[in-house]
Amino acid sequence: ETGVTQSPTHLIKTRGQQVTLRCSSQSGHNTVSWYQQALGQGPQFIFQYYREEENGRGNFPPRFSGLQFPNYSSELNVNALELDDSALYLCASRSMNTEAFFGQGTRLTVV
Amino acid sequence: DQQVKQNSPSLSVQEGRISILNCDYTNSMFDYFLWYKKYPAEGPTFLISISSIKDKNEDGRFTVFLNKSAKHLSLHIVPSQPGDSAVYFCAASGARETSYDKVIFGPGTSLSVIP
Repeated sequence: ETGVTQSPTHLIKTRGQQVTLRCSSQSGHNTVSWYQQALGQGPQFIFQYYREEENGRGNFPPRFSGLQFPNYSSELNVNALELDDSALYLCASRSMNTEAFFGQGTRLTVV
Repeated sequence: DQQVKQNSPSLSVQEGRISILNCDYTNSMFDYFLWYKKYPAEGPTFLISISSIKDKNEDGRFTVFLNKSAKHLSLHIVPSQPGDSAVYFCAASGARETSYDKVIFGPGTSLSVIP
C-alpha cells in the first residue's frame, strides 16, 4: 500500500508566474484535501475534492484552483503568484471512516 | 477567525514526566477531534482522535480528553519520551461518517522533551 506522495518537494517561482503541484492519493482513498502551511502556523484548508468534484473550500481566492482525476490523484494550481504564497503545501487523502493521511508537502518559494 | 486555538506555542517537559497539550475550539458544530504530530520536513501524521460522544480516548501513552461544554480538549502523553519532541496540531471536523467534512487545524504547539 503506497502512501500519499507529492511532487515536486521544493520549487522556486517568480512573482506573477503560475504553478502546478501534484499529489497521488493513498490507495483506496477517494477524498483529497489541500492545505497551505505558512511558517509558524497550522495548515490552512484550501479546498477538498471528493470523486472529482470540489465539495469544500476555505478562504482562498479563485486563483487557487484544483483538479481531481479518476484515479483520485490531484493537482493544485496557483495563478499570478504572490510573495505571500510562499509556504508548505500539503495534500491529504482519506476515505470514509479513515483519518487523513498527509504527504510530505511541497515547499514553494516565490521570489 | 480561528476556530481551533492552541494558546501555547511551545512546551518543554522532562523525560518521563507528563506532557499536557491544550486546545480550544469555537464552532459548536464540530463533532470529531484529532491530534496530529509533525516532525520537520515531514507531513503531519495522525496520532489519536475522539468523537464528541466520548469524553476520553486512550491509546498507549496518549490520552485525549474532551470537555464539550467548555469546548476544550487536551492531549496527555505519559511518560514523555525524547522522540515525542515534535509539533502537535489539534484539529476538528464535522461527523466522521462522511467524507465531506473538512478538517480545521490549530496553529500547533511545539513540544520539547528534555532527556
